[in-house]
Amino acid sequence: GAGVSQSPSNKVTEKGKDVELRCDPISGHTALYWYRQSLGQGLEFLIYFQGNSAPDKSGLPSDRFSAERTGGSVSTLTIQRTQQEDSAVYLCASRQRGGGETQYFGPGTRLLVL
Amino acid sequence: QKEVEQNSGPLSVPEGAIASLNCTYSDRGSQSFFWYRQYSGKSPELIMFIYSNGDKEDGRFTAQLNKASQYVSLLIRDSQPSDSATYLCAVSPGANSKLTFGKGITLSVRP
Repeated sequence: GAGVSQSPSNKVTEKGKDVELRCDPISGHTALYWYRQSLGQGLEFLIYFQGNSAPDKSGLPSDRFSAERTGGSVSTLTIQRTQQEDSAVYLCASRQRGGGETQYFGPGTRLLVL
Repeated sequence: QKEVEQNSGPLSVPEGAIASLNCTYSDRGSQSFFWYRQYSGKSPELIMFIYSNGDKEDGRFTAQLNKASQYVSLLIRDSQPSDSATYLCAVSPGANSKLTFGKGITLSVRP
């Protein structure tokens, strides 16, 4: 079946502009996660959605970052007033209810802020 | 700050050898442990998960967990050049929770 998809695959933007990154989880997966991976670094947790529960936003690095998940499926991560340090690969993962802890990752969006 | 530490790399082994990848974690409440493989320019893919102390084997891969020592490892037997990748250790406090990742270790298997 189809895996997690993300768009765009690459994004180049200028400092100060806003960007939106999209994630389509695997159909039927109730949990959705956003992570960020900077060059040479591990994955940094950003935010987690589980069903209709309030999201866990504890990993968002600043108030310039926000995310929403509409209809329990597609999620959008928004970065306002981008900074050069926001340049990274943004990865989305989804997990199935009752499917244990396994998270399935999308291909990522490579963001470059000039 | 909950941390996951992995050996500084890179690690290079000859083809056919055993590769041993190690990981320690700081949160004693951690319940679930994962090893992800990430090829250059690709997204992570799950290799193994382990919840209980001891060994768990899957093909050429064996995960080992020692909660008392807060230590989890991954052994790759009969290493192949296709195993060359970055291996990420990840830890979770349990159900419905985020993963905390180590920075990863790059493995290179020499033909």
